[in-house]
Amino acid sequence: EEVMTQSPVILSVSPGGRATLSCRASQNIGSNLAWYQQKPGQSPRLLIYDVSTRATGVPARFTGRGSGTEFTLTISSLQSEDFAVYYCQHYNNWPPWTFGPGTKVEVK
Amino acid sequence: QLQLQESGPGLVKPSETLSLICTVSGGSIGSGRYYWGWVRQPPGKGLEWIGSTYHSGSPYYNPSLTTRATISVDPATNHFSLKLKFVTVADTAIYYCARHFDWFDSWGRGILVTVSS
Repeated sequence: EEVMTQSPVILSVSPGGRATLSCRASQNIGSNLAWYQQKPGQSPRLLIYDVSTRATGVPARFTGRGSGTEFTLTISSLQSEDFAVYYCQHYNNWPPWTFGPGTKVEVK
Repeated sequence: QLQLQESGPGLVKPSETLSLICTVSGGSIGSGRYYWGWVRQPPGKGLEWIGSTYHSGSPYYNPSLTTRATISVDPATNHFSLKLKFVTVADTAIYYCARHFDWFDSWGRGILVTVSS
């Protein structure tokens, strides 16, 4: 069973800055990876699937890359609404569907 | 637009059974290729997939919860449900219902369930 890890746990970034979040899988998951954003008091929101495809309505400043075991989510020019917790999730050989532990992007 | 809404008791006693219902509107559980699942989130912690069901067939469960969780679906009423038996304080969490196949594209707002005597 694939285990997902994310780093860093907390990422401090200034508004307008660039954030790069990392997600690593314990085994090769190909391109079977999604990213979610969760703001306080809200349910998770799908951002990206299949590593790099943005979900409907997701701004172009969100970019996903990677394959195999190493993946990144980059947020360019952080806006106030982007400060949140981000989770990766793999869907290789499900079940189970497994989420990473999350990265919190906070204001520096 | 698809909407999911969780409902059920917000307080459950230890050793009892947690029972939640997810009501789906704006779409049919019985059509399409989607799974209908439950995800939980303990306060201040990450997301844990509990289990999922198709509109027919046997559900899938997280191996860590398979002995305690039961998910059922009723396409006729567009509901699906979760029962988690023998709960402990460790089961205190926000419980979300969601639609998914590979990725989870629609989520309910979540319901906080507290396990306490």
